[in-house]
Amino acid sequence: GAVVSQHPSRVICKSGTSVKIECRSLDFQATTMFWYRQFPKQSLMLMATSNEGSKATYEQGVEKDKFLINHASLTLSTLTVTSAHPEDSSFYICSASPGLAGNEQFFGPGTRLTVL
Amino acid sequence: GESVGLHLPTLSVQEGDNSIINCAYSNSASDYFIWYKQESGKGPQFIIDIRSNMDKRQGQRVTVLLNKTVKHLSLQIAATQPGDSAVYFCAESYQGAQKLVFGQGTRLTINP
Repeated sequence: GAVVSQHPSRVICKSGTSVKIECRSLDFQATTMFWYRQFPKQSLMLMATSNEGSKATYEQGVEKDKFLINHASLTLSTLTVTSAHPEDSSFYICSASPGLAGNEQFFGPGTRLTVL
Repeated sequence: GESVGLHLPTLSVQEGDNSIINCAYSNSASDYFIWYKQESGKGPQFIIDIRSNMDKRQGQRVTVLLNKTVKHLSLQIAATQPGDSAVYFCAESYQGAQKLVFGQGTRLTINP
């Protein structure tokens, strides 16, 4: 149980294009989903927290107009990197929380984004 | 600001030996701590967690120790196996906050 999937697992795009990454909770309803970015040999940095049906809360320094988050259902959240540039190349990881007692999060397998 | 840090960025141990990975945290309000294992190109995998009302918790081959006095967390892995080679992250949270703050990570290498 508590499986989270991401699609695509890898994406290569040209600079200036937009890329959408999907995060799905497969066997539970996720009240809250989180988006992280991880650069090589670094830790996970939280980008934003999204609650179903409401606007995402972005961490300081994360541009909300560049990283669009939609959490339209209890099993799906999407992250769209708009007008991607090479510096946006990173490993993007989502996690989902069922919102039960405690703060446990279940992580997706990650999406490797490469912007040429 | 709040931060979670690690003393050792890399650790190499012989297969079969025990390993200890350490983590320091600075937010005294944190009351929930988790250890994650991350293999190359994959998402973090839950290993074990502990709440602040405990100082020790054991799982299968793993033990987490929490010392709130010095804000220190450790992960002990017994009888290490090649499959234990990965990067290990500690993460902290506190009641009322949904988000986790991750430490910098320690790369554990198991030598045959």
